[in-house]
Amino acid sequence: DAGVIQSPRHEVTEMGQEVTLRCKPISGHDYLFWYRQTMMRGLELLIYFNNNVPIDDSGMPEDRFSAKMPNASFSTLKIQPSEPRDSAVYFCASSLGQGLFGANVLTFGAGSRLTVL
Amino acid sequence: AQSVTQLGSHVSVSEGALVLLRCNYSSSVPPYLFWYVQYPNQGLQLLLKYTSAATLVKGINGFEAEFKKSETSFHLTKPSAHMSDAAEYFCAVSAPFGNEKLTFGTGTRLTIIP
Repeated sequence: DAGVIQSPRHEVTEMGQEVTLRCKPISGHDYLFWYRQTMMRGLELLIYFNNNVPIDDSGMPEDRFSAKMPNASFSTLKIQPSEPRDSAVYFCASSLGQGLFGANVLTFGAGSRLTVL
Repeated sequence: AQSVTQLGSHVSVSEGALVLLRCNYSSSVPPYLFWYVQYPNQGLQLLLKYTSAATLVKGINGFEAEFKKSETSFHLTKPSAHMSDAAEYFCAVSAPFGNEKLTFGTGTRLTIIP
């Protein structure tokens, strides 16, 4: 398996532009998570899905952020309009959940580094 | 709600010396606990996990962690540091019984001195 695949790896954009980050989870994983990593705030959970349905989006910072999972093999995180404070590394992770292994073990993608000028 | 606190944002040890990275948890229910490692420009990888079985958990690359309920701790250790251990380490916690969220600590950057 190729693991969790994220694109783009790097994105530089100007304030006000729309940004779309993409994620392909591991085949067969029921859960998908979006995290944001910054020096100031560490790793923050933005949203997670179970079987393509958003379960908890309480970490989404504001209405400028939206996430979708149209099918089991694809998810997007969109920021519109982007702001400099959105600059961060955004990670996607997927898992089988707790059911099989008794603990939710996440497999992370390599991340998308976003810079908003 | 669950949370973890990692003591020390930066730790430096000499090659061959003991590695000790500290993590304390707060949880209203018996927690599941994890250590993840992040190498530069990569995603996080699981080192080990505690799921209420044995309190001493062994992971990859010679790391282990001990769950101590009385101290609410889950410290990560390795007897002898190797240069390849230089990375950032994250402690994480989740609640069992259907709650899939993992909450991460702020991370500890481990530097190995040759």
